[in-house]
Amino acid sequence: GNSVTQMEGPVTLSEEAFLTINCTYTATGYPSLFWYVQYPGEGLQLLLKATKADDKGSNKGFEATYRKETTSFHLEKGSVQVSDSAVYFCALSDWQGAQKLVFGQGTRLTINP
Amino acid sequence: DGGITQSPKYLFRKEGQNVTLSCEQNLNHDAMYWYRQDPGQGLRLIYYSQIVNDFQKGDIAEGYSVSREKKESFPLTVTSAQKNPTAFYLCASRAYKAGGRNTGELFFGEGSRLTVL
Repeated sequence: GNSVTQMEGPVTLSEEAFLTINCTYTATGYPSLFWYVQYPGEGLQLLLKATKADDKGSNKGFEATYRKETTSFHLEKGSVQVSDSAVYFCALSDWQGAQKLVFGQGTRLTINP
Repeated sequence: DGGITQSPKYLFRKEGQNVTLSCEQNLNHDAMYWYRQDPGQGLRLIYYSQIVNDFQKGDIAEGYSVSREKKESFPLTVTSAQKNPTAFYLCASRAYKAGGRNTGELFFGEGSRLTVL
């Protein structure tokens, strides 16, 4: 079945450092890919998405490119801020399938000033 | 403002009791979902519904029940059969068009934290 594997956390960086959180997937068909962010005590918010191969999703300085050849959707940001501290989830949706999202296990990110 | 409202935000339950978590959305979305979140395990799908009066089991449906009598509402009951119910529960919804391309984006509520005493 469909699955998502994320880089294990927690990840701790200093402010203004470069961020990469790895995400790879296994899926049949042509899934859409997502990154969601969860701040402490809250629900999940969509950070960015890509619906087809080679698409780049971007939002709030974060970027991820849908790489079909490597089945990856790595999240990057050039200069992180303390306010980026949160849990990040990679997810996929196979729109030909059961129309549900499959999530990775999440990566906790802490940014120190 | 449109959104998803979950209540209560915090809930305490004694062992052997059933509890119901509320989820209401005013986004006019057809599909609704319940996920369970445990530390370090990501989100696991409990139940989902793509249309009123119909719902399907997710990956961990045992010990849970749902109903979908109205488009706006998708309550989740955690029954006494659920062996380890302490968790953070998230409700979500999305627009769904049968037979069409759906990008799959979910909108989430703020969550309900259930603790069994």
